[in-house]
Amino acid sequence: GEDVEQSLFLSVREGDSSVINCTYTDSSSTYLYWYKQEPGAGLQLLTYIFSNMDMKQDQRLTVLLNKKDKHLSLRIADTQTGDSAIYFCAESKNQGGKLIFGQGTELSVKP
Amino acid sequence: DGGITQSPKYLFRKEGQNVTLSCEQNLNHDAMYWYRQDPGQGLRLIYYSQIVNDFQKGDIAEGYSVSREKKESFPLTVTSAQKNPTAFYLCASIGQGATQPQHFGDGTRLSIL
Repeated sequence: GEDVEQSLFLSVREGDSSVINCTYTDSSSTYLYWYKQEPGAGLQLLTYIFSNMDMKQDQRLTVLLNKKDKHLSLRIADTQTGDSAIYFCAESKNQGGKLIFGQGTELSVKP
Repeated sequence: DGGITQSPKYLFRKEGQNVTLSCEQNLNHDAMYWYRQDPGQGLRLIYYSQIVNDFQKGDIAEGYSVSREKKESFPLTVTSAQKNPTAFYLCASIGQGATQPQHFGDGTRLSIL
């Protein structure tokens, strides 16, 4: 079956690194995504990674994929108060296809 | 600018009433999706449409209906059969063979009066 799991809350201090973790069960997942949702808004794509990659870096964001353990993580360097939001992990078998979402991790950044 | 527009932002439903949520996109995207979001849960797929005049049920289609008469528009009707409609509803779209994944609207929050 398809299932994506995330912890619900993470609290960090401004300037620290944040690491948000995600596990998935479908080994045929091809694309894995991270979305950010600010209060009362839709989802904004942050980054995505193909299953044939181990790591992707984009400015302050680093995505690590461990295919053996079906574990995906998002690291935010130098976390700012503006990074406070809910972060969703999602997986898909094909680009543009149906997405399976995790429950979302609420990141709280304290000054 | 191109994008996805959902309206209204807030909607209230009386008991026994059907309500329709609007989703319009000017991105020329083929596929459109409706999701429901509840607190502490991920997004759950209600309905999706890969092409005009065709749509498929998602994981929680009961109590909802959709139509796809135009490429730009994918309205969602929450019927009186949906007994727990209070939620945040998100619409998304993606073009055929696009290199970007789903783009989302800003959502509609539906509440019961």
